[in-house]
Amino acid sequence: SQQGEEDPQALSIQEGENATMNCSYKTSINNLQWYRQNSGRGLVHLILIRSNEREKHSGRLRVTLDTSKKSSSLLITASRAADTASYFCATDGLNDYKLSFGAGTTVTVRA
Amino acid sequence: NAGVTQTPKFQVLKTGQSMTLQCAQDMNHEYMSWYRQDPGMGLRLIHYSVGAGITDQGEVPNGYNVSRSTTEDFPLRLLSAAPSQTSVYFCASSYSGGSSTGELFFGEGSRLTVL
Repeated sequence: SQQGEEDPQALSIQEGENATMNCSYKTSINNLQWYRQNSGRGLVHLILIRSNEREKHSGRLRVTLDTSKKSSSLLITASRAADTASYFCATDGLNDYKLSFGAGTTVTVRA
Repeated sequence: NAGVTQTPKFQVLKTGQSMTLQCAQDMNHEYMSWYRQDPGMGLRLIHYSVGAGITDQGEVPNGYNVSRSTTEDFPLRLLSAAPSQTSVYFCASSYSGGSSTGELFFGEGSRLTVL
C-alpha cells in the first residue's frame, strides 16, 4: 500500500503564482523526499528533508515537514510554464530500504 | 556519466511470453530498485537490491524476478507476461549510506504492453 498521499490531485495556476501541494503519510519515517516528473520522462529528485528538520529551501522550492501530523508541504514560488509536471512525495520507514511514493499532484502552469 | 540506462524503451509482448528489462548504472550506487507506474497509482516498488548478490521484494513482486550479479546491473525478468503487467517500468539507483535509501536517480522508463 502507498505510504504517502498527495493533495490536491491536480492544480492549475497562472504563471507567476505560487503552487502548494501537501503530502500525508502513515508511519514514522527517516526522511521525506519530493520528486518531479515531466510527461513521459523519469522522475527527478527535488529535495530531501530529514525527520529532524522542519523546513528546507532549494531555489524556488520550500518544503515543510510536521512529523507530529505526519504531513509535508511543497511550495513552488513564482511558478513558470516549465514547472508544469507531476509532483510526488516519497517516504522510507525506519530501518527500511523501501521508498514509497504517493499518487502525485499534477500541476499545470498557464501562461 | 550516463546515469541510469534502461532498455528497451518500448516493448509489446503476448500473454505468456517472457522477457527481461535491462537496467544499468554507472554511478557505483549500491542500491537499485524497480518500480512500476500505473495511471492514478503513483509508483509501486517491485524489487530492490542493497548490493551485489542481495535482493529483496517490494510491494508488488509477484510475476517478476531479479538478480544482482554486479554493482552496475539489475535486470527485471517477467516470467510469463500477463495483461495486468502492462505498465511503465522505472529503474532507480542511489548511494545508500545507513538505513535510508537517499536520493534516487531514475531511468527514463520502459513502456511495456502485454496483449
